[in-house]
Amino acid sequence: KNQVEQSPQSLIILEGKNCTLQCNYTVSPFSNLRWYKQDTGRGPVSLTIMTFSENTKSNGRYTATLDADTKQSSLHITASQLSDSASYICVVSPTVAGGFKTIFGAGTRLFVKA
Amino acid sequence: SQTIHQWPATLVQPVGSPLSLECTVEGTSNPNLYWYRQAAGRGLQLLFYSVGIGQISSEVPQNLSASRPQDRQFILSSKKLLLSDSGFYLCAWSENTGELFFGEGSRLTVL
Repeated sequence: KNQVEQSPQSLIILEGKNCTLQCNYTVSPFSNLRWYKQDTGRGPVSLTIMTFSENTKSNGRYTATLDADTKQSSLHITASQLSDSASYICVVSPTVAGGFKTIFGAGTRLFVKA
Repeated sequence: SQTIHQWPATLVQPVGSPLSLECTVEGTSNPNLYWYRQAAGRGLQLLFYSVGIGQISSEVPQNLSASRPQDRQFILSSKKLLLSDSGFYLCAWSENTGELFFGEGSRLTVL
């Protein structure tokens, strides 16, 4: 069964600290993996996208890694800011086209405290 | 540039009343359109998707229906709401890359 599991469920860090969020997937075949940021009560916004051949992708203070062999991905946030408080969702697509096959993780809820 | 609009943002409805959530996309043609529901602590659940006008596919049996009367308009409806229909509903669109672009969401509370 195609699944995406994220850990931890929630995380509290102090402003300025780094953190790493984990994503394990069992989706097959695999086309790409995305990380989305979702502010409370808002729609998710894409942070990074990686295909099978990509190991790392950065977007400002966000760096995603992908190990297609172990089917694991991580999202590293550097020098966290209060505005980073949000849910981070790992999303895996088995095909290039057709978002209807996309599988979502339950998300990691990040709280950044001053 | 492409934009997606979804409304209303918040809705409180009594059990048994009808529902209509509307979503429109601008700046693109023939997009794939989606309705998702998000429960607290759960991943997004795909409810409906559409690859063209009048073409609707349902992923899960439920009390809801969807329609696409125009190329860039997607509507989520119900004739009689249930308590279990409460949740956060998200409209999204995608092109051939498969990347999903989401609306701002609609919070539905059924009392």
